[in-house]
Amino acid sequence: DAGVTQSPTHLIKTRGQQVTLRCSPKSGHDTVSWYQQALGQGPQFIFQYYEEEERQRGNFPDRFSGHQFPNYSSELNVNALLLGDSALYLCASLAQGNYGYTFGSGTRLTVV
Amino acid sequence: KQEVTQIPAALSVPEGENLVLNCSFTDSAIYNLQWFRQDPGKGLTSLLLIQSSQREQTSGRLNASLDKSSGRSTLYIAASQPGDSATYLCAVLTDSWGKFQFGAGTQVVVTP
Repeated sequence: DAGVTQSPTHLIKTRGQQVTLRCSPKSGHDTVSWYQQALGQGPQFIFQYYEEEERQRGNFPDRFSGHQFPNYSSELNVNALLLGDSALYLCASLAQGNYGYTFGSGTRLTVV
Repeated sequence: KQEVTQIPAALSVPEGENLVLNCSFTDSAIYNLQWFRQDPGKGLTSLLLIQSSQREQTSGRLNASLDKSSGRSTLYIAASQPGDSATYLCAVLTDSWGKFQFGAGTQVVVTP
């Protein structure tokens, strides 16, 4: 049984560019959350998707947007990249009613 | 606003010693608390999940306790091994939709 799959694993972008990160949830999971983890810090909640809609959002600017597809997979888009967006981006999935999260291995984004 | 604090930020012990990692949270109205392990540059691996109605959970050498009234959880790792070296993160589930608030983590080094 595959867990949460994220792609790509590493990415280098230039300031001002746009990036798209992808996540496939664990089989049977219908909810996807995205987290940003800066070096030496705990993950910070970006937003959560359920039934193809953004259900709740953390304290992140509108440059961060997302999407969930009918097969429950999800994308995280970041526009107008800043140096401070450099971080490990984690995707986590869960099934509604079961609050045990499964995390992916993350995408390491470096903005230069 | 829920805040999660982990003390100490770093810990180094000789192999064989027991590890005690502390997590405190400011709002006792939580759904559950989860302990994760993170290896350098990697994603999160769930270790133990404690439901809000539970006092503790055990898995092998790991034991986690939860005291909601005092806003504290403790992770005990018995007879530590060099392979236990990692960062340990505590996260509280703050709502029924599945939003986690993380601590910054405790970095553990077990020396042979």
